Amino acid sequence: SAVISQKPSRDICQRGTSLTIQCQVDSQVTMMFWYRQQPGQSLTLIATANQGSEATYESGFVIDKFPISRPNLTFSTLTVSNMSPEDSSIYLCSVEDGTGGASGYTFGSGTRLTVV
Amino acid sequence: KNQVEQSPQSLIILEGKNCTLQCNYTVSPFSNLRWYKQDTGRGPVSLTIMTFSENTKSNGRYTATLDADTKQSSLHITASQLSDSASYICVVSRMDSSYKLIFGSGTRLLVRP
Repeated sequence: SAVISQKPSRDICQRGTSLTIQCQVDSQVTMMFWYRQQPGQSLTLIATANQGSEATYESGFVIDKFPISRPNLTFSTLTVSNMSPEDSSIYLCSVEDGTGGASGYTFGSGTRLTVV
Repeated sequence: KNQVEQSPQSLIILEGKNCTLQCNYTVSPFSNLRWYKQDTGRGPVSLTIMTFSENTKSNGRYTATLDADTKQSSLHITASQLSDSASYICVVSRMDSSYKLIFGSGTRLLVRP
C-alpha cells in the first residue's frame, strides 16, 4: 500500500494566522483527499484534490478558508487560513490505493492543530 | 439517508478477552465496507475490506463479518492485547461515488491489564 508522509504532525497556532499542511506520497496517485476530524468526532471530507485542476470542495468548506494545491501526482498541501479556535482539529490526507479486489484508502498520520 | 452507526460507543475489556464491535449501515447502493483502527493522535489504518459478496475476512486476530441482506457488519477481536486500545471505525462506500466514504462515529476500545 501507499506510504504517506504528512507534516507537521502537530502545531499550536495563533488565531488569525494560517497553517499549511503537506502530504507526500511514495507513489503517483490520481486522487488525494483532505479530511477534518474534530475532537471526539469521525472524519469529514473537506475536498478532493486532483492534479491539474482545482480541488472539489464538499458542502460547508470553501476555497478561501481551505486553499489546496496539487502540483503533481505525489504531493498536495492544505492551508487552513485565518484560523480561529473552532479550526482546532486533526487534519488528514488520504489516497486511494487501488490494490486488491476492492480499493483501499491509506491515510496520513494526521496533523493535530490547536488554535489559541 | 446514507448513514453508518456503530455500537457500542465505547468498551472496556480485560487483556486476553475477546470482543465484538457492531456496525449497521443504510448506505445504498452499497459498494464495500471497511474497518479501520485509529490510535490516538494517528491516522486510521485499514484492517479489512469487504465487498457485498464476502461474508467474512480475517486479518490476524481481527475478523470482520458482513451480512449484506441485513446491512450489518461486525468486527471480532480475539485474545485482546493492550495495543488493541484504539478507536475502530466502520466505513462504507457507495457504488455511485466510491471515493466519498461514509464514516461511522467509531467505537473506542480500552484494553486493561
